[in-house]
Amino acid sequence: DIQMTQSPSSVSASVGDRVTITCRASQGISSWLAWYQQRPGKAPKLLIYAASSLQSGVPSRFSGSGSGTDFTLTISSLQPEDFGTYYCQQGNSFPFTFGPGTKVEIK
Amino acid sequence: EVQLEESGGGLVQPGGSLRLSCSASGFSFSIYAMHWVRQAPGKGLEYVSAIISNGGSTYYADSVKGRFTISRDNSEQTVYLQMSSLRAEDTAVYYCVKRGGSGSYDYWGQGTLVTVSS
Repeated sequence: DIQMTQSPSSVSASVGDRVTITCRASQGISSWLAWYQQRPGKAPKLLIYAASSLQSGVPSRFSGSGSGTDFTLTISSLQPEDFGTYYCQQGNSFPFTFGPGTKVEIK
Repeated sequence: EVQLEESGGGLVQPGGSLRLSCSASGFSFSIYAMHWVRQAPGKGLEYVSAIISNGGSTYYADSVKGRFTISRDNSEQTVYLQMSSLRAEDTAVYYCVKRGGSGSYDYWGQGTLVTVSS
């Protein structure tokens, strides 16, 4: 199975800050990577697919980059509604696997 | 509007069985693979099972292989997860998810809670 890791495990930032979350796959997954936001008590929401494609309706302050084994999610200007836990997920091969999550808190 | 609505969760004793259903609407259900993903209380997300568009192939996480069975009825736009020999570690919110581009999950249901406890 492909293992996914994320760093940091948590981040506390102020409104307007740039926030970067990294995700690493244990083997190459090309661009088969997605990012999700999950607010407490809610289902996850797709933000980015194919490593860098913005899902319809997602604000442009979210962006993704990377390919192979190393990926990045960037929030260019953190907004109050961006709190929650962010997960990466590989869709290259079964079983699809998720990273452990990065909790984003607003200072 | 795409909607996925899970049902069938609840409290079950260890060793028991439960069948989850997911009713889909708002998209061409019969051409998309469907998956189940679960989340134990306070934990991360875990892929459980997948079924291709015509139901011809199914996939399972090792943790549920031999105990869970995924199926679908394209005429009813519904996907099922039959769970048997349930264990305490199967306690989780179970999400029905639609497979999107590049292996992503573009739509999620609201989830249904399964609690395995005596």
